[in-house]
Amino acid sequence: SQQGEEDPQALSIQEGENATMNCSYKTSINNLQWYRQNSGRGLVHLILIRSNEREKHSGRLRVTLDTSKKSSSLLITASRAADTASYFCATDAGWSTGFQKLVFGTGTRLLVSP
Amino acid sequence: DGGITQSPKYLFRKEGQNVTLSCEQNLNHDAMYWYRQDPGQGLRLIYYSQIVNDFQKGDIAEGYSVSREKKESFPLTVTSAQKNPTAFYLCASSIDRSTLNQPQHFGDGTRLSIL
Repeated sequence: SQQGEEDPQALSIQEGENATMNCSYKTSINNLQWYRQNSGRGLVHLILIRSNEREKHSGRLRVTLDTSKKSSSLLITASRAADTASYFCATDAGWSTGFQKLVFGTGTRLLVSP
Repeated sequence: DGGITQSPKYLFRKEGQNVTLSCEQNLNHDAMYWYRQDPGQGLRLIYYSQIVNDFQKGDIAEGYSVSREKKESFPLTVTSAQKNPTAFYLCASSIDRSTLNQPQHFGDGTRLSIL
């Protein structure tokens, strides 16, 4: 079963607005990663946050992690039409599984209108 | 540029036919992975390989087979035993199993459909 659940399933905003996506997971993790997928393409890694980190920034992206609530959020500021894509969180339970196993959520579909 | 190349982009399978999806990487990564993505869902792990000549079943390996004869290549065969093969297949790689906190790098996928 998938560990990560994103919320909302779909999000529609105007250019310039901020977009916030949330991810909840069930078990202890080593890190949490966010990926973007454009329609019909592969996934592109956006940002990785370790379990001992609470917040991380990369350009217009801000990720938070609350391990007590087993949740993370991805904020995209000043969104652009080119940000239109599906966004997935993936949790890495580390070597307890014997290898690097990422468990992906079901994704949030973001539509940014000009 | 380093990356992962998947081919073909689109593939059609007839009843009772085995088909092979290609995945090649020039990132010098040890670990490689195959995922299946169904509409509106996340990725599910089919097989993974941590090193040449070694591979392990993932969560949904039934009806699939793989080989890892070269570091650069990790082909996936969808056998006739896979009764619902229509999906988007993604190949990925990562540095190795001993390095923590590493991202995975993905190819652009192969979309498999049934004729």
